[in-house]
Amino acid sequence: EIVMTQSPATLSVSPGERATLSCRASQSVSRNLVWYQQKPGQAPRLLIYGASTRATGIPARFSGSGSGTEFTLTISSLQSEDFAVYYCQQYDNWPRTFGQGTKVEIK
Amino acid sequence: QAQLVQSGAEVKKPGASVQVSCKASGYTFTQFAMHWVRQAPGQRLEWMGWIHGGSGDTKYSQRFQGRVTITRDTSATTAYMELSSLRSEDTAVYYCARGEDIWGQGTLVTVSS
Repeated sequence: EIVMTQSPATLSVSPGERATLSCRASQSVSRNLVWYQQKPGQAPRLLIYGASTRATGIPARFSGSGSGTEFTLTISSLQSEDFAVYYCQQYDNWPRTFGQGTKVEIK
Repeated sequence: QAQLVQSGAEVKKPGASVQVSCKASGYTFTQFAMHWVRQAPGQRLEWMGWIHGGSGDTKYSQRFQGRVTITRDTSATTAYMELSSLRSEDTAVYYCARGEDIWGQGTLVTVSS
């Protein structure tokens, strides 16, 4: 199965600053990658699909890039509601696999 | 709008089985697949399996092969996930998800003697 590895595990950022999260796949997943945001006690929320397309209703401060094995989620100016855990997931191959998550916390 | 509503929390003893339901509304059930994903406390999300709402075709993670069964009732627009031979490590929140975009609220399954 494809192993998804995210870095860093925790990212400490001040409100208004930029956050850059990374996701690496153990083999190419083309652009078949999504990013989710998850807050405590809530289901994951789709942010980005196809590596770079924002889902409906997602603010423009969220952007995704990459293809193949290297992907990035960028939050251009962190708002208070953005502090959460972010997961990447590939849907190129079975089984679907997730990264271990990056926790974005307030600095 | 599209929505998935899951059944309530369950407490089961080791060795038992659990069935979680996922009622879909606001979209054509037979045109989409339904995934089942679980999240143990403090752990990453883990994909368990998938069923196509129309054809009923299924795929399962090898990790759960033989223990998990996913079914659907098109007339009730509901998908079901049954996990058998439960052990303490199966304690988790179980989610259904329409493709990647719409998720249920989650169902906590606790396995404890």
